[in-house]
Amino acid sequence: EAQVTQNPRYLITVTGKKLTVTCSQNMNHEYMSWYRQDPGLGLRQIYYSMNVEVTDKGDVPEGYKVSRKEKRNFPLILESPSPNQTSLYFCASSPEMSNSPLHFGNGTRLTVT
Amino acid sequence: AQSVTQLGSHVSVSEGALVLLRCNYSSSVPPYLFWYVQYPNQGLQLLLKYTSAATLVKGINGFEAEFKKSETSFHLTKPSAHMSDAAEYFCAVSDSGSARQLTFGSGTQLTVLP
Repeated sequence: EAQVTQNPRYLITVTGKKLTVTCSQNMNHEYMSWYRQDPGLGLRQIYYSMNVEVTDKGDVPEGYKVSRKEKRNFPLILESPSPNQTSLYFCASSPEMSNSPLHFGNGTRLTVT
Repeated sequence: AQSVTQLGSHVSVSEGALVLLRCNYSSSVPPYLFWYVQYPNQGLQLLLKYTSAATLVKGINGFEAEFKKSETSFHLTKPSAHMSDAAEYFCAVSDSGSARQLTFGSGTQLTVLP
């Protein structure tokens, strides 16, 4: 089944404790992206990747890191999480063709205390 | 620069009634427009997309949207709401058609009343 898989689904952590949210897709998509969803703000892009070893900042990259060592994986790293990073996070992928829709994972709800 | 405005963060309709979710966009070029739906505890799924082939676009689950250039709108409609339509709906726009330049609206939560 074609899918984007994120782990974990739920994560509670404390300020400053490094964490990684994993994302994997099995559709051989070139493009992958991370979004955060906050009430009233919709989805805001954190980072994206056009292909292996090619990443770039989105609209809200501060406090986040990503890597793209393999085509299928695109982990999101929070080196020193803070409470304002409490949010719902989504990974998405698509073939890099014009007008291609995004395929989303089921989300990771992160709480930083 | 592109932007999307969804009027009404919450919309309630009775089962069987018309669903109308509003989306207005701003774009300096002919836009690529999308509607996504998010069911509880799930990621977003594509509902429909505007491809410039036709101004009236039909999507899944009986939804459709009409592109009106003069009004810069792409409102989502469904003639008869079903309980299973309860979800959050997002309008999105891209100037280039590329996913990396997709801008999402703030979302509209649809409640369907029995």
